[in-house]
Amino acid sequence: NAGVTQTPKFQVLKTGQSMTLQCAQDMNHNSMYWYRQDPGMGLRLIYYSASEGTTDKGEVPNGYNVSRLNKREFSLRLESAAPSQTSVYFCASIGPGLNEQFFGPGTRLTVL
Amino acid sequence: QKEVEQNSGPLSVPEGAIASLNCTYSDRGSQSFFWYRQYSGKSPELIMFIYSNGDKEDGRFTAQLNKASQYVSLLIRDSQPSDSATYLCAARSGSARQLTFGSGTQLTVLP
Repeated sequence: NAGVTQTPKFQVLKTGQSMTLQCAQDMNHNSMYWYRQDPGMGLRLIYYSASEGTTDKGEVPNGYNVSRLNKREFSLRLESAAPSQTSVYFCASIGPGLNEQFFGPGTRLTVL
Repeated sequence: QKEVEQNSGPLSVPEGAIASLNCTYSDRGSQSFFWYRQYSGKSPELIMFIYSNGDKEDGRFTAQLNKASQYVSLLIRDSQPSDSATYLCAARSGSARQLTFGSGTQLTVLP
């Protein structure tokens, strides 16, 4: 099992450009999450999907959109990137016991 | 707003000592608490979780929960240089599927 995979690993964007971060899990988990991590800020929830076909806003959703494409895949889109969106983005999924979130390797995004 | 607070550190302990990491939370509805370890440049990984007041031990790690004081701690016995990492505390309310994370405590174990 690959667990949670994310692409790309690194990305540099110019202000105003758009991009989609991809996430997939092969653990048959219902719930998936997108976080951003900034120095000294811990992990902040952007959006989550409790199950296929549903998405909900987290703590910091502004400037982002998500799509739960199917049970395996959950993508995060930046429509018009801003320097404030420079961060490390983690995707995660959680099993039915809600005890352990499994994290992907992260995407390091820089917006110039 | 639900908050989870951690001392950001850095916390340094000598090899073989006990490292004590602390966390407080503001939401009295929080029922489940999690400790994650994150090495520099890597993703978080779960160390252990705790639901009930008291202590829970797993190898060299002990989680402690005091719901009356809204306080969670993680003790690492016989600390090793490989324990050097950032430790994240997280809380979940009831059956909610979201976790609220603290900002993390950076631990350095000195050889």
